[in-house]
Amino acid sequence: GEDVEQSLFLSVREGDSSVINCTYTDSSSTYLYWYKQEPGAGLQLLTYIFSNMDMKQDQRLTVLLNKKDKHLSLRIADTQTGDSAIYFCAESIPTSGGSYIPTFGRGTSLIVHP
Amino acid sequence: DTGVSQDPRHKITKRGQNVTFRCDPISEHNRLYWYRQTLGQGPEFLTYFQNEAQLEKSRLLSDRFSAERPKGSFSTLEIQRTEQGDSAMYLCASSPPTGTGANVLTFGAGSRLTVL
Repeated sequence: GEDVEQSLFLSVREGDSSVINCTYTDSSSTYLYWYKQEPGAGLQLLTYIFSNMDMKQDQRLTVLLNKKDKHLSLRIADTQTGDSAIYFCAESIPTSGGSYIPTFGRGTSLIVHP
Repeated sequence: DTGVSQDPRHKITKRGQNVTFRCDPISEHNRLYWYRQTLGQGPEFLTYFQNEAQLEKSRLLSDRFSAERPKGSFSTLEIQRTEQGDSAMYLCASSPPTGTGANVLTFGAGSRLTVL
């Protein structure tokens, strides 16, 4: 996870917007991903963005990519208590063998309070 | 298809014992990954299969760990002579052939290992 950095905690009030930030190191990443993990469950893909895009919007989710600064963010509009979970940023890093292996950050724990 | 299945969900064992985890991926997915996740950490890559071929192994995968995917379908992860440091959640994920497209992983719920 040292290739992908995230802040560990974010606390927001229900109805506010949440912004989760991530920095990555490998400029050859072609796709960057956001996954969500709820307690006791595996990771679930939320959204992804191709590296030649600056922004992608999907309902309440907006992904912003600053490739120059290797910075990725996930904005959740109108955050609900059901959004409380751990959010992982991931990049696919090419290996010497030609495979692309998804590498994850440590995750940001989002706490939504009423 | 019910997604990626892992078994058992929880295993408690004594130090020095061997354990084996099984993963059944989504049937049309040819790629299979094993990750390890400890508390407060993100998933750490262990190994990757494309069909039955094990193409990548992390340096985290010591010689006590072995993984197989004999027919390109289900996979097993065996840990021999378990140590307390092996206690973690072992996650399996699979993905379909993508060409140059996004490699979207579908994760199982994980197998939690507790070594006493």
